Amino acid sequence: GQQLNQSPQSMFIQEGEDVSMNCTSSSIFNTWLWYKQDPGEGPVLLIALYKAGELTSNGRLTAQFGITRKDSFLNISASIPSDVGIYFCAGQIIQGAQKLVFGQGTRLTINP
Amino acid sequence: DTGVSQNPRHKITKRGQNVTFRCDPISEHNRLYWYRQTLGQGPEFLTYFQNEAQLEKSRLLSDRFSAERPKGSFSTLEIQRTEQGDSAMYLCATTPGQPYEQYFGPGTRLTVT
Repeated sequence: GQQLNQSPQSMFIQEGEDVSMNCTSSSIFNTWLWYKQDPGEGPVLLIALYKAGELTSNGRLTAQFGITRKDSFLNISASIPSDVGIYFCAGQIIQGAQKLVFGQGTRLTINP
Repeated sequence: DTGVSQNPRHKITKRGQNVTFRCDPISEHNRLYWYRQTLGQGPEFLTYFQNEAQLEKSRLLSDRFSAERPKGSFSTLEIQRTEQGDSAMYLCATTPGQPYEQYFGPGTRLTVT
């Protein structure tokens, strides 16, 4: 089925470092969302983006909706131990079921 | 807690048995989704309800799977004659429709032995 390419697949960083991850697609999406998932739990919504070129922040998190509507990135500044987890991007088309199409995830590990 | 809830959180069953999962949405969220997530992958869409009507089903949803949402409130997902390949995390998500963000429950982890 339709898939988003998310990179990197995993990251190993030191506490305090900044993190950047991105998502690309061959298809256009109307909405991009970023989620974080902890082991054994459901994804938790971090940021939602609705307009091409939009840059949105949520605390130490910043995400952008690419101009072509085929990509998005997420930055985390000054990482802390609780940032550990798997980050997923999801694209959404605002018609019909409005179902989400997810990337494969970026696993973030932080060394204290 | 006013978030999406799912029960049970974990289910271990033997191959060939039937299982049923339940999702209770956020109050007044009229759209409800089921997704399946296998290890190392992102969630994949299974089916979608607007109120009590099931409006779309993925090709992933074989005829052994059935979902209902009576009265447009909670939803159930039943898997008949489970197979080992059904082992996965089953996630429910709901949204008020606009804005379009989907909020996920904690999931039900199914293990078929």
